[in-house]
Amino acid sequence: GAVVSQHPSWVICKSGTSVKIECRSLDFQATTMFWYRQFPKQSLMLMATSNEGSKATYEQGVEKDKFLINHASLTLSTLTVTSAHPEDSSFYICSAPLDRVRANYGYTFGSGTRLTVV
Amino acid sequence: DQQVKQNSPSLSVQEGRISILNCDYTNSMFDYFLWYKKYPAEGPTFLISISSIKDKNEDGRFTVFLNKSAKHLSLHIVPSQPGDSAVYFCAASEASNFGNEKLTFGTGTRLTIIP
Repeated sequence: GAVVSQHPSWVICKSGTSVKIECRSLDFQATTMFWYRQFPKQSLMLMATSNEGSKATYEQGVEKDKFLINHASLTLSTLTVTSAHPEDSSFYICSAPLDRVRANYGYTFGSGTRLTVV
Repeated sequence: DQQVKQNSPSLSVQEGRISILNCDYTNSMFDYFLWYKKYPAEGPTFLISISSIKDKNEDGRFTVFLNKSAKHLSLHIVPSQPGDSAVYFCAASEASNFGNEKLTFGTGTRLTIIP
């Protein structure tokens, strides 16, 4: 079935550095990719929506200059956390919508990236 | 503003019994609802979904019920098994162009199945 591969699964970085997270759709074309963030014991909060070949749409309160999203191809979307700070430590997950007719699953999720900023 | 709410943060159920997880929403534009199971440090795994044109959808041990007038949905798991222990999220989306429907997630319910 449709799979989104997300890398890395975990990363530790120093404060002030940048981290790139990749999500690849392996057997389908993802024209849209959603990026979520989950803090411990909280819900998944949508950060932004990326569309292939166009600028990402950010949710209210999400800094677009801090969380750079690139969706240059139909199979790859990246999220770069720039100048990371400890408060950016979180679990980041990407998700791609699927054809509701072909696959009733609706959406497929990456396995997530645990970011720890020290 | 939490548009999708799961008022029970945790639930414990005896193995073999029925687990009922509840979810309420406030946005009347939501037309598609999904339930996901999630383990720590992993992405959500899809369980079952329901369109607003239905009031029930069943898949094996999982049944989702939708009450549109009450803006309420529930997930029934029967019989409950130890492997069902996880955090369960309900999610909802609005009708829009295909490929651009974002999900709004509930706060999650931690289900523990007691052997």
